[in-house]
Amino acid sequence: AQKVTQAQTEISVVEKEDVTLDCVYETRDTTYYLFWYKQPPSGELVFLIRRNSFDEQNEISGRYSWNFQKSTSSFNFTITASQVVDSAVYFCALSEVNNAGNMLTFGGGTRLMVKP
Amino acid sequence: DAGVIQSPRHEVTEMGQEVTLRCKPISGHDYLFWYRQTMMRGLELLIYFNNNVPIDDSGMPEDRFSAKMPNASFSTLKIQPSEPRDSAVYFCASSVSGTSGYNEQFFGPGTRLTVL
Repeated sequence: AQKVTQAQTEISVVEKEDVTLDCVYETRDTTYYLFWYKQPPSGELVFLIRRNSFDEQNEISGRYSWNFQKSTSSFNFTITASQVVDSAVYFCALSEVNNAGNMLTFGGGTRLMVKP
Repeated sequence: DAGVIQSPRHEVTEMGQEVTLRCKPISGHDYLFWYRQTMMRGLELLIYFNNNVPIDDSGMPEDRFSAKMPNASFSTLKIQPSEPRDSAVYFCASSVSGTSGYNEQFFGPGTRLTVL
């Protein structure tokens, strides 16, 4: 069975600090997809990134970067020079390739608070 | 482009009443998902449809919950009778299958349900 663990339930940083959100997953499949979503205080879930299991290249998008390491089953998310607007709950999710469709299993989320 | 549309945004009802939540997926998307989010249980997948057909409803908590998708542009989640423990935020999401594999789900703004 698939499982996603976000061990950090809450992180508090001061603006301009770098912060890394951890995500560890479990799956028996060799082909799967990993995702990060952001849930700001307004409540909607915003898609940030998708990564497939065959692509271990790290990705950078502005102040955001993602480190995918298959050897440790981790897909960590780093925000560089954090800003108050980054305050949100961040969810990591996993989708296994199976006959039933692209269901997502979410981690418990990490609440990030960026203080001015 | 319009995103996933959900209505109502907020619903307050009394125990025992019927509640109907509505969702309009993104045009062209062939998957539709219903999730529930609570503090205790996080994000849970309730049911999902592919091409209007329910594929997996194993997450539906009990017979009081039912979901339908009469056409590609509309789905409902019904709770009858409602109970205080059903209080949660209910999200609808949609995605499109593609040759590249599994694509991200786009979420609606959610319906915050309070059952008194």
